[in-house]
Amino acid sequence: EAGVVQSPRYKIIEKKQPVAFWCNPISGHNTLYWYRQNLGQGPELLIRYENEEAVDDSQLPKDRFSAERLKGVDSTLKIQPAELGDSAVYLCASSLASGSGTDTQYFGPGTRLTVL
Amino acid sequence: GNSVTQMEGPVTLSEEAFLTINCTYTATGYPSLFWYVQYPGEGLQLLLKATKADDKGSNKGFEATYRKETTSFHLEKGSVQVSDSAVYFCALSDEAGGSYIPTFGRGTSLIVHP
Repeated sequence: EAGVVQSPRYKIIEKKQPVAFWCNPISGHNTLYWYRQNLGQGPELLIRYENEEAVDDSQLPKDRFSAERLKGVDSTLKIQPAELGDSAVYLCASSLASGSGTDTQYFGPGTRLTVL
Repeated sequence: GNSVTQMEGPVTLSEEAFLTINCTYTATGYPSLFWYVQYPGEGLQLLLKATKADDKGSNKGFEATYRKETTSFHLEKGSVQVSDSAVYFCALSDEAGGSYIPTFGRGTSLIVHP
């Protein structure tokens, strides 16, 4: 079974430039998560989707971040414009069930973003 | 709000030593508790979980018991191996406003020497 796929693995951009990250979850997983992980910290949830509906996005900085999950499968997270403080690893995860606190999340390898 | 506090790392042990990584939490509801592990160069993966008080999660020789009275979920292993070297994350999932919010600790790095 293929795991969660993310691309690119690494991205270096100048500040004020746009950037996008792509995630393909495990087949059949209804729930998809985007996290940001700063150096030396744990993942922080940005947004969670159940199928194509965003159900938790209170931590997403909506002035510059946007996300979409078309057809309830792949998802894209975008930052426009990027700031120096956005440098972090962006993680995507998926889980099988919807709305259950006991779900096991399966994580992708992450995209390491560096903003210069 | 919810939070997870883990002991500072790195934890450095010799092979076959006993391991404890402390984890305490605060939550507004009745959370499920998790330990995730991140091996070098890999993504986070679930190590074990517990969903109610006094449950013991176990996997690969690791154990953790959900202690509601002390709001703790300490990770233990009786005899560590070099291959256990990784970063360990304690996490909870708690209901808020009808949905479940995952919260992670900052991670504890474990280094096991031969």
